[in-house]
Amino acid sequence: GENVEQHPSTLSVQEGDSAVIKCTYSDSASNYFPWYKQELGKGPQLIIDIRSNVGEKKDQRIAVTLNKTAKHFSLHITETQPEDSAVYFCAAVPQGAQKLVFGQGTRLTINP
Amino acid sequence: EAQVTQNPRYLITVTGKKLTVTCSQNMNHEYMSWYRQDPGLGLRQIYYSMNVEVTDKGDVPEGYKVSRKEKRNFPLILESPSPNQTSLYFCASSLAGQLNSPLHFGNGTRLTVT
Repeated sequence: GENVEQHPSTLSVQEGDSAVIKCTYSDSASNYFPWYKQELGKGPQLIIDIRSNVGEKKDQRIAVTLNKTAKHFSLHITETQPEDSAVYFCAAVPQGAQKLVFGQGTRLTINP
Repeated sequence: EAQVTQNPRYLITVTGKKLTVTCSQNMNHEYMSWYRQDPGLGLRQIYYSMNVEVTDKGDVPEGYKVSRKEKRNFPLILESPSPNQTSLYFCASSLAGQLNSPLHFGNGTRLTVT
């Protein structure tokens, strides 16, 4: 089955700098890759997603890139702000599957 | 407001005492699912439901039951809880079962089994 590895597990950056979180997946048939942000005491919330027929997608300060050949995808946050501090999860949806397979999560801390 | 509502938010119980965690969504979503979140393991799917009266096992179904008698409700049942079921549980729903539409999560239920 699908396996998603996420790195790093913790990340601390200065406010205004960029943050990058990387994930690799094992099932080449996976075709949908969402990213979720989880704030303290809340459930994960979708922040951006990318499908297997697209290499890059951007939404304001957030971007996701996908390399199907290498089977990895990354989340890029530019001009980080204190409210970006949270736990971020990548996920993959194997083709035909009815579930998200999540990475282990990255705790991002933005230092003022 | 569109949302997924779980109850209770916190629950402490003892081994073997049956419990139910409720989940309700007001978005008319067909797909609903339960996940558990454990440190270092991310979120793992317990059960899911594609529609009313249609449920199926996820990756970690042992010790859990679900039912889907109505479209909006998807309760999680622990018939005989054990300490290894201590975890943070999330209910989620999605418009479509193919999961290429966003998955909406509730705010979680933190369960402690002693």
